[in-house]
Amino acid sequence: QVQLVQSGSELKKPGASVKVSCKASGYIFSNYGIHWVRQAPGQGLEWLGWINTNTGNPTYAQDFTGRSVFSLDTSVSTAYLQINSLKAEDTAVYYCARRRVRDVTSDYWGQGTLVTVSS
Amino acid sequence: EIVLTQSPGTLSLSPGERATLSCRASPSLSSTYLAWYQQKPGQAPRLLIYGASSRAIGIPDRFSGSGSGTDFTLTISSLQAEDVAIYYCQQYCSTPYTFGQGTKLEMK
Repeated sequence: QVQLVQSGSELKKPGASVKVSCKASGYIFSNYGIHWVRQAPGQGLEWLGWINTNTGNPTYAQDFTGRSVFSLDTSVSTAYLQINSLKAEDTAVYYCARRRVRDVTSDYWGQGTLVTVSS
Repeated sequence: EIVLTQSPGTLSLSPGERATLSCRASPSLSSTYLAWYQQKPGQAPRLLIYGASSRAIGIPDRFSGSGSGTDFTLTISSLQAEDVAIYYCQQYCSTPYTFGQGTKLEMK
């Protein structure tokens, strides 16, 4: 069955970097893109961008260009989200989700990774 | 950037009642590239509806979607206890693929 398993919670200081992993199984990794979405505590969903797992080409939402990096290790069917120069307002649950081919909606989601930024 | 505005913010209904959730797009969507997601507390979102009106695999037929242009609706025909959740619409017509702020559905 399709699964996306994310890495565990992280506690970081302002200015540090964090790298969240998303390991896919149960399907051919390169056939579906990966979306990244975040949710601040008690808030709604925010789309960060997506990465084409066939070409490695990332697309970032404008607000996340510059500090965020999407990457892949296709040998282990894993996508990564790295955020640099962390700020307190980056505190959120970060989700990866599989991007469907027929449209770009997200049919399978990871369990989420809580990133807390605090001094 | 396309802004999605959901209403109401909170909806409180009794079991068996009909729930109608609204999502308004500005500017209008040039296609029916709108999805609905359900998120229960402590869980990841789940895809309910895509293409404004198509149910995702495994979604009960009490969930239905409609609309085009600027106005979209998610309807739950007969509310069940397990439908208590926050519902989000998302447009995927153009990047960034924005979400609405959510409608919280509560049981009376």
